Amino acid sequence: AQSVTQPDIHITVSEGASLELRCNYSYGATPYLFWYVQSPGQGLQLLLKYFSGDTLVQGIKGFEAEFKRSQSSFNLRKPSVHWSDAAEYFCAVGPVLIQGAQKLVFGQGTRLTINP
Amino acid sequence: NAGVTQTPKFRVLKTGQSMTLLCAQDMNHEYMYWYRQDPGMGLRLIHYSVGEGTTAKGEVPDGYNVSRLKKQNFLLGLESAAPSQTSVYFCASSYSSGTDTQYFGPGTRLTVL
Repeated sequence: AQSVTQPDIHITVSEGASLELRCNYSYGATPYLFWYVQSPGQGLQLLLKYFSGDTLVQGIKGFEAEFKRSQSSFNLRKPSVHWSDAAEYFCAVGPVLIQGAQKLVFGQGTRLTINP
Repeated sequence: NAGVTQTPKFRVLKTGQSMTLLCAQDMNHEYMYWYRQDPGMGLRLIHYSVGEGTTAKGEVPDGYNVSRLKKQNFLLGLESAAPSQTSVYFCASSYSSGTDTQYFGPGTRLTVL
C-alpha cells in the first residue's frame, strides 16, 4: 500500500543547531513528495516538493530535502534553525488513488520544538 | 487575494446538532478538499471535489456531507454531530490534479460535547 511514515513524533533542537526530519515512503513508482509546515493555529503551507530531476530540492525559509530512491526517503534539512521554525511538519506522497481520483497521503507529522 | 478562507474558526456543538462549515477560495482552483486533523493521525481526507457540481468521498466520509454549488465554495455539513467528530477541520484547494500544490485554509476547531 502507498503510505508515508514520519518516525519522529516530536523533536527538540537548540536554536542555531542543524535539523533533519525524517520521512519514509512506500510507493510503487517515482512519487511526488511534499513537505508542508503548520505553524501554531495556522493551516499548512508548502515548504518544497519533488517530482523529478535533481534529487536535492530547495524550498522556502532555508529548508531543503533530498530524495533517496534506494532508501525510500525524503528527509527535510535545515543548517541552522530559528525560533520561528517551531511548528509541525508534514511529509506527503502521491498520487495515491482514493475513490477513483488521485490524492496526496500525509504522514502523521513531526512536532518541532526549538530551545533558546 | 485572500487565498483559502474558512468560516467559522471555532464552534462548540452538542451531540445531535447540525452545522455547516464554509470554505471559500479566490484562486480559481478546480480541486477542493476537506480534511480532518486529529492528534497522532495526521491529515485524513473526508471529501473532495474535482470541479463545480462534483463531490466524492475520501478516506473518512461517514457522518459528513458536502456540496460544491459554486466553483469557489466547498461546504462541509454535519447532520447529527457526534463526539467522535471533535477535530480540527482544514479545507484546501489546488489548481488541477491531486499532485498539484494544495493551499490550505486556517482551519476550524470543532468540539462536540
